Amino acid sequence: QQPVQSPQAVILREGEDAVINCSSSKALYSVHWYRQKHGEAPVFLMILLKGGEQKGHEKISASFNEKKQQSSLYLTASQLSYSGTYFCGTEDKAAGNKLTFGGGTRVLVKP
Amino acid sequence: NAGVMQNPRHLVRRRGQEARLRCSPMKGHSHVYWYRQLPEEGLKFMVYLQKENIIDESGMPKERFSAEFPKEGPSILRIQQVVRGDSAAYFCASSQGTGGLSEQYFGPGTRLTVT
Repeated sequence: QQPVQSPQAVILREGEDAVINCSSSKALYSVHWYRQKHGEAPVFLMILLKGGEQKGHEKISASFNEKKQQSSLYLTASQLSYSGTYFCGTEDKAAGNKLTFGGGTRVLVKP
Repeated sequence: NAGVMQNPRHLVRRRGQEARLRCSPMKGHSHVYWYRQLPEEGLKFMVYLQKENIIDESGMPKERFSAEFPKEGPSILRIQQVVRGDSAAYFCASSQGTGGLSEQYFGPGTRLTVT
């Protein structure tokens, strides 16, 4: 069963912040975040492994709450280049080493 | 340092023909994953391979689809007797290791159109 991402879409003005959530019904080993622009390949952003760990990539950071089986991606002071679809990929302890991706969150940053 | 290579980038096949999609992983990567993506949808896992071995094919349709990653050469995803429902973008990704510490790097994808 795939993780659930929310919201499905968000529109921002340049400089605004946003949060994207990823929730799973399974015990997770890790969460991977990717961004995909239209017609292009997904681009790796970051991996979160330990509970409560936070990581950052430019002004994009994320947290992983292992107990709640969820991760959140934070877009801070968004830039036009942040537009795209964000996917979380979860690795659960039962399913081995493959990633199960959520349905994606479309982000549009306007000037 | 070359990234993940896929070819062809676009492939058009008539119903009933065969489609062969190729993926060369990043240098030093021995783990390959294939995903399918329908328009406006997420990535669906198909198969995970290491050199000469299929590790997990739980996402592969039981019929018409097969994958291999030979000792020499690229990984190949083969779709026999294609149908219109096979039209999609097929991405491969590679990683250096396995497990939560290994990020997957994606190739540019092959867009398959079945007419």
